[in-house]
Amino acid sequence: GEDVEQSLFLSVREGDSSVINCTYTDSSSTYLYWYKQEPGAGLQLLTYIFSNMDMKQDQRLTVLLNKKDKHLSLRIADTQTGDSAIYFCAESTSGTYKYIFGTGTRLKVLA
Amino acid sequence: DADVTQTPRNRITKTGKRIMLECSQTKGHDRMYWYRQDPGLGLQLIYYSFDVKDINKGEISDGYSVSRQAQAKFSLSLESAIPNQTALYFCATSDRGDRGAFFGQGTRLTVV
Repeated sequence: GEDVEQSLFLSVREGDSSVINCTYTDSSSTYLYWYKQEPGAGLQLLTYIFSNMDMKQDQRLTVLLNKKDKHLSLRIADTQTGDSAIYFCAESTSGTYKYIFGTGTRLKVLA
Repeated sequence: DADVTQTPRNRITKTGKRIMLECSQTKGHDRMYWYRQDPGLGLQLIYYSFDVKDINKGEISDGYSVSRQAQAKFSLSLESAIPNQTALYFCATSDRGDRGAFFGQGTRLTVV
């Protein structure tokens, strides 16, 4: 079945770049997503990438997709303390409209 | 006002009680979902609905039921709550594309 995996923790210094990684098993995944969850809040959709794309950039966020290795990454440039949160990777397959989420990566930004 | 509203935000209930969590949305989306979040386990899909007449089980539907009362309303019920149903519950919506789901603020449920 579908599975999405992420490492649980990442710690970076303010101003550095953060790279959060994700692997997925479903080769028919159509869209892949990154969400951010701040304490006490719901998940906020940050960005998504279609499976026929290799890269997508949106301001400080860069998403890289290696479809052959089923690997997705989110790079946050110039990481700020406000970026401290849990980041979830998710995938969906066209026609199912179900979103399968990873376990989340807790990003801690050190001042 | 939030696009996806969940009530209540927090609830403590006793083992064996019936409880309903409610979700309403103003986004006009057809698709609605209930997820459960446990630390270290990510989000698990409980039920989802693609329109008022369509209800589908997710990965962990046992012990839960849902009702889609209208396009904008989707409620989750625990018929007889048990302590391992203590978790954070999220409602989400999406449109007919695959452009991602939009989440409510969550309901923190504690079963004692």
